[in-house]
Amino acid sequence: ILNVEQSPQSLHVQEGDSTNFTCSFPSSNFYALHWYRWETAKSPEALFVMTLNGDEKKKGRISATLNTKEGYSYLYIKGSQPEDSATYLCAFINRQAGTALIFGKGTTLSVSS
Amino acid sequence: DAGVIQSPRHEVTEMGQEVTLRCKPISGHDYLFWYRQTMMRGLELLIYFNNNVPIDDSGMPEDRFSAKMPNASFSTLKIQPSEPRDSAVYFCASSLGRGGAGELFFGEGSRLTVL
Repeated sequence: ILNVEQSPQSLHVQEGDSTNFTCSFPSSNFYALHWYRWETAKSPEALFVMTLNGDEKKKGRISATLNTKEGYSYLYIKGSQPEDSATYLCAFINRQAGTALIFGKGTTLSVSS
Repeated sequence: DAGVIQSPRHEVTEMGQEVTLRCKPISGHDYLFWYRQTMMRGLELLIYFNNNVPIDDSGMPEDRFSAKMPNASFSTLKIQPSEPRDSAVYFCASSLGRGGAGELFFGEGSRLTVL
């Protein structure tokens, strides 16, 4: 069974705080790692697609790193804003034939102004 | 592009009834995925297609669930007979290339309630 673990499950921060979440996945046969942002009453939207060990991606105040050898990825948010409140999902795919993106249960971030 | 289109957005039905959920992927995308979202299990992959061919249906809960993709622009997920434990939000998503590892574009979901 291929499991993706995310921590923490939920997080509450004040506006302006910087924060980070962890995504852990099986390191064998790694192919790709995705991060998605899921706002309430909307659909998940892709933030990053990462494929190479050591990859770092950035979009505005949000960035992500990838370590495929040890099986983890970090998502960082610098200077959190109330509009960053959402559930952040990571998903991975490995090279085994017939597998597709497997999602973690997400980290729910709440940012207070 | 209109994005991934799902219908119906909401469905309330009684136990034992047949339910059909529909999905139109983004034009040109070659992968289509059906996911189910519940509080307990999060986003759970049910089945996915590549070029209209089912590749992995190991996530389909049981024989009551079936999915088809008769052409590149349409897919259905059918539950017959439906049970209360099938109540969930069902998402369809599509992607392009990269062996199925391309960014997923999700529909707005179909919220199913089985009484």
